[in-house]
Amino acid sequence: EDQVTQSPEALRLQEGESSSLNCSYTVSGLRGLFWYRQDPGKGPEFLFTLYSAGEEKEKERLKATLTKKESFLHITAPKPEDSATYLCAVQARRGKLQFGAGTQVVVTP
Amino acid sequence: KAGVTQTPRYLIKTRGQQVTLSCSPISGHRSVSWYQQTPGQGLQFLFEYFSETQRNKGNFPGRFSGRQFSNSRSEMNVSTLELGDSALYLCASSLETGTTDTQYFGPGTRLTVL
Repeated sequence: EDQVTQSPEALRLQEGESSSLNCSYTVSGLRGLFWYRQDPGKGPEFLFTLYSAGEEKEKERLKATLTKKESFLHITAPKPEDSATYLCAVQARRGKLQFGAGTQVVVTP
Repeated sequence: KAGVTQTPRYLIKTRGQQVTLSCSPISGHRSVSWYQQTPGQGLQFLFEYFSETQRNKGNFPGRFSGRQFSNSRSEMNVSTLELGDSALYLCASSLETGTTDTQYFGPGTRLTVL
């Protein structure tokens, strides 16, 4: 069965303190890996899609990378507005998104 | 372009009642997926609709059902509500089905069952 595991569950950072979030997955036939951020009481907001090992994508202070077994979301010099829950999801041949439990990130000034 | 909209945003029901939630996708998007989000189980896939047909279904009981209209708008229905159905129900739309098109989420409907 497809599985997505995110670590750590929670991360507390000082403003400017860079860090990485991990998403490890086991799926039969990965078609795409997605990163979303979710603020409390809101729906997930799309960040990136990665399709194949070795691929990287960047947006402002965020950079996502993909290997055959895991993806990393690197947060460089975070600001308080980067505080959110970051969700990883995989899409296999059956099409539906399988989500991990998320990493809750808190960035303090 | 307007995003995904969901109505109502908040709903309080009692056990045994039924509820209908509505979702309007982004203009031009033809696929609508529904997810349930709870603190314990996270985001779980309910079902996907495309061209008024259910294309994919998650592991939820038959009390959970949905439909899609010709304008791509979708509704989901939960009958005989249970306390455990309390959750944030999220709708997501994408251009097509069976592809890696990005799914864009709405703000969700917060359902509380008393």
